Amino acid sequence: RKEVEQDPGPFNVPEGATVAFNCTYSNSASQSFFWYRQDCRKEPKLLMSVYSSGNEDGRFTAQLNRASQYISLLIRDSKLSDSATYLCVVRVNAGKSTFGDGTTLTVKP
Amino acid sequence: DVKVTQSSRYLVKRTGEKVFLECVQDMDHENMFWYRQDPGLGLRLIYFSYDVKMKEKGDIPEGYSVSREKKERFSLILESASTNQTSMYLCASSLDPGQGAAEAFFGQGTRLTVV
Repeated sequence: RKEVEQDPGPFNVPEGATVAFNCTYSNSASQSFFWYRQDCRKEPKLLMSVYSSGNEDGRFTAQLNRASQYISLLIRDSKLSDSATYLCVVRVNAGKSTFGDGTTLTVKP
Repeated sequence: DVKVTQSSRYLVKRTGEKVFLECVQDMDHENMFWYRQDPGLGLRLIYFSYDVKMKEKGDIPEGYSVSREKKERFSLILESASTNQTSMYLCASSLDPGQGAAEAFFGQGTRLTVV
């Protein structure tokens, strides 16, 4: 079993749709959680950190459930520019971050 | 803005060659990382360093070594390149989590092809 598992995708949604991605992790000692976005042929970039209380940044909402060991990302009112691969990242300590394989989102007109 | 710069965007090397991938960051970050990214396998950690001259093996260190002689520079070395090392290599850096934000900043990647 992988340490970090994401929805396999791909997700193809129309503009304006709401889409949610889930990610589960196996190491209960995990301390920090992130969602990164990666555009085609580009490097990953931080989308948002995920806090225990849940956090929101505009159309994006991230949540953490430590008991069930999963994190989620909700995108409301999808835009064409949201098309990308979304990577779930779980960090155990300073040196050990594990990336999920990514979920590809395509937003269509 | 944090900048992580990798020396090459594209490299083509022959089997058996010694290959150096260089990475420089300009934000005085303690931690630096080397990943490779392959379709269906995601990003996998090769090596990381949390201080000058310090290094730790990641998940897939075999066939690689690293060097960190200066805080801003972290080099990945393929001692004898093989075709299964054809991949996208990504360097990243971050602050120590104990010092605040632990976001990792990535370089633009080096696409290495070993023929």
